[in-house]
Amino acid sequence: EIVLTQSPGTLSLSPGERATLSCRASQTVSSSYLAWYQQKPGQAPRLLIYGASSRATGIPDRFSGSGSGTDFTLTISRLEPEDFAVYYCQQYGSSPTWTFGQGTKVEIK
Amino acid sequence: QVQLVESGGGVVQPGRSLRLSCAASGFTFSSYGMHWVRQAPGKGLEWVAVMSFDGNNKYYADSVKGRFTISRDNSKNTLYLQMNSLRAEDTAVYYCAKTAAGTWSAFFDYWGQGTLVTVSS
Repeated sequence: EIVLTQSPGTLSLSPGERATLSCRASQTVSSSYLAWYQQKPGQAPRLLIYGASSRATGIPDRFSGSGSGTDFTLTISRLEPEDFAVYYCQQYGSSPTWTFGQGTKVEIK
Repeated sequence: QVQLVESGGGVVQPGRSLRLSCAASGFTFSSYGMHWVRQAPGKGLEWVAVMSFDGNNKYYADSVKGRFTISRDNSKNTLYLQMNSLRAEDTAVYYCAKTAAGTWSAFFDYWGQGTLVTVSS
């Protein structure tokens, strides 16, 4: 099973700053089958990025994904107040198991 | 628009059973695999089970294998999760999620709002 490790656990930033979130896999994620989700308190996760770098429908272009192999990054270019949330990476290329990272919380500094 | 609405959660004693439902609308339900994902209070996301679009294939996380059963009724656009022999560690919000494509290697493009299952005596 592929284990995903996200860092840092918590990121304390101010609105307008750049956020860089990391997701490292224990094995190569085939075909860059890596997604990122955003979750706000009391809400379901929302898809942000799939295929490591493709934005989902309706996702602002301040969100971008990059990486391949075992190292992936989610970047939020300029944090908006609504971006403070928990972010999860997920691999979906090693079916029939789907695994999530433990999450990175982006909080207001 | 795609909608997934879970129901059936509640408080149940250890060792008892519960069945969750997920009513789908806004897309051709019979064309997509469907998943259950859970989230224990204050914790991260854990994949639980998946069923193929036609119901012919299903897989489970090791933590629930042999106790949980996923099923679907394509005539009713509904996904189910039968949970038996429940344990305290099964306490979580349970989400159903739609795959983005008809293949196994697909991310989850839509999620329901979740239903809370609490296992406690």
